[in-house]
Amino acid sequence: AQSVSQHNHHVILSEAASLELGCNYSYGGTVNLFWYVQYPGQHLQLLLKYFSGDPLVKGIKGFEAEFIKSKFSFNLRKPSVQWSDTAEYFCAVNAASSASKIIFGSGTRLSIRP
Amino acid sequence: ETGVTQTPRHLVMGMTNKKSLKCEQHLGHNAMYWYKQSAKKPLELMFVYNFKEQTENNSVPSRFSPECPNSSHLFLHLHTLQPEDSALYLCASSQDSGSSYNSPLHFGNGTRLTVT
Repeated sequence: AQSVSQHNHHVILSEAASLELGCNYSYGGTVNLFWYVQYPGQHLQLLLKYFSGDPLVKGIKGFEAEFIKSKFSFNLRKPSVQWSDTAEYFCAVNAASSASKIIFGSGTRLSIRP
Repeated sequence: ETGVTQTPRHLVMGMTNKKSLKCEQHLGHNAMYWYKQSAKKPLELMFVYNFKEQTENNSVPSRFSPECPNSSHLFLHLHTLQPEDSALYLCASSQDSGSSYNSPLHFGNGTRLTVT
């Protein structure tokens, strides 16, 4: 069965610091990978996705993620965070053979000090 | 505005009550989902419907009963719940392309359920 691990439960950074949030998944086959974000008081929304092709994907608001197949990882990065990036970030995966079964990690809460 | 509307936003119910959660999507999608979000736990996939047919039931207890009368509406009927069922229940939709991936999920704002 698929599973997703996000090792950082809460990350606190100052503005302009660089960000990397870890995400590892367990599944041996072809996967699709996602990062979703939930800003305070708002609904979950897609940040970026990987289906195929270039393993470095770029999303909205300057975020990017790199799919490293050998490490079963899909870490989220941003070179310089802003206070408005304060949110909860969720990594998600689905097997290409079961596209509607999207499994989420437990989320990482990101707090940015102004 | 998310395109996915959930009602009610908050619900408090006793263990012997029967209530229903409603979800409506205005995005023309053909797949709908129920997820459960509890504090400090991963979002748990509960049910998936594709073209009104249930395609996933993630070992959900029978006290949760989904209903999908059409591709735009999804219900979650609740009866004899337990206090540990208290959580945020999220509805989502996507476009099932019939290939190896669906379009990304679009989520509603959720229903905050408290079971007393």
